[in-house]
Amino acid sequence: EAQVTQNPRYLITVTGKKLTVTCSQNMNHEYMSWYRQDPGLGLRQIYYSMNVEVTDKGDVPEGYKVSRKEKRNFPLILESPSPNQTSLYFCASSLWSNTEAFFGQGTRLTVV
Amino acid sequence: DAKTTQPTSMDCAEGRAANLPCNHSTISGNEYVYWYRQIHSQGPQYIIHGLKNNETNEMASLIITEDRKSSTLILPHATLRDTAVYYCIVRVYNTDKLIFGTGTRLQVFP
Repeated sequence: EAQVTQNPRYLITVTGKKLTVTCSQNMNHEYMSWYRQDPGLGLRQIYYSMNVEVTDKGDVPEGYKVSRKEKRNFPLILESPSPNQTSLYFCASSLWSNTEAFFGQGTRLTVV
Repeated sequence: DAKTTQPTSMDCAEGRAANLPCNHSTISGNEYVYWYRQIHSQGPQYIIHGLKNNETNEMASLIITEDRKSSTLILPHATLRDTAVYYCIVRVYNTDKLIFGTGTRLQVFP
């Protein structure tokens, strides 16, 4: 089954403790992205990747890192999480530009 | 990037057609119109997209005006499971960036 898998689905952590949210797709897609969703602000893009070893900043990249060492994986790294990074996070992938994006089921992160 | 304007909320009776409008008056010639929906806090789900011509698939129809400044998503026979937030998005050409607005909350009632 074609899918984008994020882990974990739920995470509560403390300020400053490094964490990684994994994202994996099984569709051999070139493009992958991370979004965060906050009430009243909709979904905003954090980082995206057009191919292996090619990543670029989205609209709200501060406080986040990503890597794309393999086509299927695109982890989101929070080196020193802060409470303002409490949010619902989505990973997405698409084959090319202008093709449909598939989204993961989301990771609800709480930083206390 | 072109912005979109959608009504905040709409209601639709089950079995009737749901027509969701979207304005995108600053759209560029090579930008596509995409529709996604999000049920509760699940990941957004792709519905349909188009450039100039009207499009139809198993889920919905997309009607784009000739000047491309607005579009309408049509769910021909809405069901309770179509209750969701619907996002009209203009996609930047040659990137995968999707700019989400606040969408239209569609409530389908029995």
